[in-house]
Amino acid sequence: DAEITQSPRHKITETGRQVTLACHQTWNHNNMFWYRQDLGHGLRLIHYSYGVQDTNKGEVSDGYSVSRSNTEDLPLTLESAASSQTSVYFCASSQDRGTGELFFGEGSRLTVL
Amino acid sequence: EDQVTQSPEALRLQEGESSSLNCSYTVSGLRGLFWYRQDPGKGPEFLFTLYSAGEEKEKERLKATLTKKESFLHITAPKPEDSATYLCAVRWGINTGNQFYFGTGTSLTVIP
Repeated sequence: DAEITQSPRHKITETGRQVTLACHQTWNHNNMFWYRQDLGHGLRLIHYSYGVQDTNKGEVSDGYSVSRSNTEDLPLTLESAASSQTSVYFCASSQDRGTGELFFGEGSRLTVL
Repeated sequence: EDQVTQSPEALRLQEGESSSLNCSYTVSGLRGLFWYRQDPGKGPEFLFTLYSAGEEKEKERLKATLTKKESFLHITAPKPEDSATYLCAVRWGINTGNQFYFGTGTSLTVIP
């Protein structure tokens, strides 16, 4: 079965360190997204990609970057982790731009000390 | 200003006790309203898409409806396995790409 997997599922790091969260999907979807989820906030879009070599900033992109070198993967990098980036991160993919049906991974819980 | 507001924040129901969850939105030029279910420690799972006022979608004990300013998720005779957080999201406008605004969700607990 096709799926979307995130790794690591849990990570603790220190302020200032670089962190990369991996996202791999086997749906062969062109569209991939990174969201963060915090108490009191809905899911907020960090970055998204409509295809290989395409990346776009979302609502809360400061301090994050992504790259898309193939269809299956969209890694999220925190260049210099900050305590404000402690959150649960979700990767998602969709078949086409017009659909609201996003397929989410199980999340990566990041703690920045 | 919040674009999407969900109420109530939490809801406890007895098994079989029907109720509704509300999602109100303030965006103009709605291009879709979406309902998701999220279980603890999991990613959201897509339930429904609604595009225009008057539209309804059903799935098992769930029925979603849409008006010009809000959507309702009706839960008929809920079971304990319906316990989850229900999220709604909206997409709007022309130049917003594929961005959605998600609400903060309603946490539903169904007591046996």
